[in-house]
Amino acid sequence: AQSVTQLGSHVSVSEGALVLLRCNYSSSVPPYLFWYVQYPNQGLQLLLKYTSAATLVKGINDFEAEFKKSETSFHLTKPSAHMSDAAEYFCAVSLPTGGTSYGKLTFGQGTILTVHP
Amino acid sequence: NAGVTQTPKFQVLKTGQSMTLQCAQDMNHEYMSWYRQDPGMGLRLIHYSVGAGITDQGEVPNGYNVSRSTTEDFPLRLLSAAPSQTSVYFCASSYSKSGQHSYEQYFGPGTRLTVT
Repeated sequence: AQSVTQLGSHVSVSEGALVLLRCNYSSSVPPYLFWYVQYPNQGLQLLLKYTSAATLVKGINDFEAEFKKSETSFHLTKPSAHMSDAAEYFCAVSLPTGGTSYGKLTFGQGTILTVHP
Repeated sequence: NAGVTQTPKFQVLKTGQSMTLQCAQDMNHEYMSWYRQDPGMGLRLIHYSVGAGITDQGEVPNGYNVSRSTTEDFPLRLLSAAPSQTSVYFCASSYSKSGQHSYEQYFGPGTRLTVT
């Protein structure tokens, strides 16, 4: 079984400040990890993914995340926040065990990011 | 490609009514899933399919039925709607290529359902 915990349901930063959204996972096997972003009244868009290659993963819009096995974490960062980054962010895990695991993602509760001018 | 499409965008039902949420994808993806999104709970898997004719239950399947007769379509049926099914519903698809699965899922725009 797997689970995801996102620490902080709301995060508020100033424009230009560092963005840090926290995600911890629990998994019985080495996982694949994802960050998705959801803008108001829209579907989910993939920001980045970790699939057992490089532990530092770069995504769209200057976001990046680092897979740390020892800490079971996959925190999302961006050096400088922009007003357009305001959205809800979801961390998700999938177990790459094949078969029926292909159709399944387990999501965290989501973190709403607010960016102040 | 249109990607993953969902209809309708909005729907209001009365308790006990039935309806089908439509989902289609034009990317020839083998795998399709339905999730529901509720505030503070993220997205939870309802049902999924690994190919035409093959479906299975996810985390919260009660009150929902699915079938998959074609690769493109994966409708979600509510047989007798309840207020607890008020939610936003997302359909997603994913694929494998040359034996390698991406595990990345492509999401539709969602259907916002209210049951009164």
